Amino acid sequence: EPEVTQTPSHQVTQMGQEVILRCVPISNHLYFYWYRQILGQKVEFLVSFYNNEISEKSEIFDDQFSVERPDGSNFTLKIRSTKLEDSAMYFCASSAQGAGDTQYFGPGTRLTVL
Amino acid sequence: GENVEQHPSTLSVQEGDSAVIKCTYSDSASNYFPWYKQELGKGPQLIIDIRSNVGEKKDQRIAVTLNKTAKHFSLHITETQPEDSAVYFCARGPGHSGYALNFGKGTSLLVTP
Repeated sequence: EPEVTQTPSHQVTQMGQEVILRCVPISNHLYFYWYRQILGQKVEFLVSFYNNEISEKSEIFDDQFSVERPDGSNFTLKIRSTKLEDSAMYFCASSAQGAGDTQYFGPGTRLTVL
Repeated sequence: GENVEQHPSTLSVQEGDSAVIKCTYSDSASNYFPWYKQELGKGPQLIIDIRSNVGEKKDQRIAVTLNKTAKHFSLHITETQPEDSAVYFCARGPGHSGYALNFGKGTSLLVTP
């Protein structure tokens, strides 16, 4: 069964450093998403991406965040200058269609900012 | 997005009993309601979803009911097994536009043998 994959599984970085989290969505999906989950809290939406542009973003997704689909398979989330409060699990998801379609989640990247 | 309220936050049942988790929402335009199961250290896995054109959907031991008038939906797990132990999240999909899923705070279900 096709699945979303993410690398790395765990990323440790120093405050102020840039990090790039990588995702490979399900191959025939067209819509891609990033969510985050701070330890013990609910999953929160960050951004959705379709046709090489952001289609929706939350207030969490400020100027330090960016997304990119650099090639036909990868989808990345970049945090330009990490802060302590960016420590969380980051989940990538994808769906075949847009609003209201089933979103399939990857296993997540645990980001630890020291 | 508008909040989804989920109850209870923790639930402990004996193996073989049923478990029910309830969620309420306020945006009447919402029309998609998935449930995800999250095991320790893993990503959320879709277990069942329902769209607003139906009131109930069942898949083996799992069922979801939706009351659009009252704006609540529930997950029902029958004949629970220890491997059902996990955190369960309800979510609300967007209404007329948008893509974001708005999650509840989760229910930690423990099934004891």
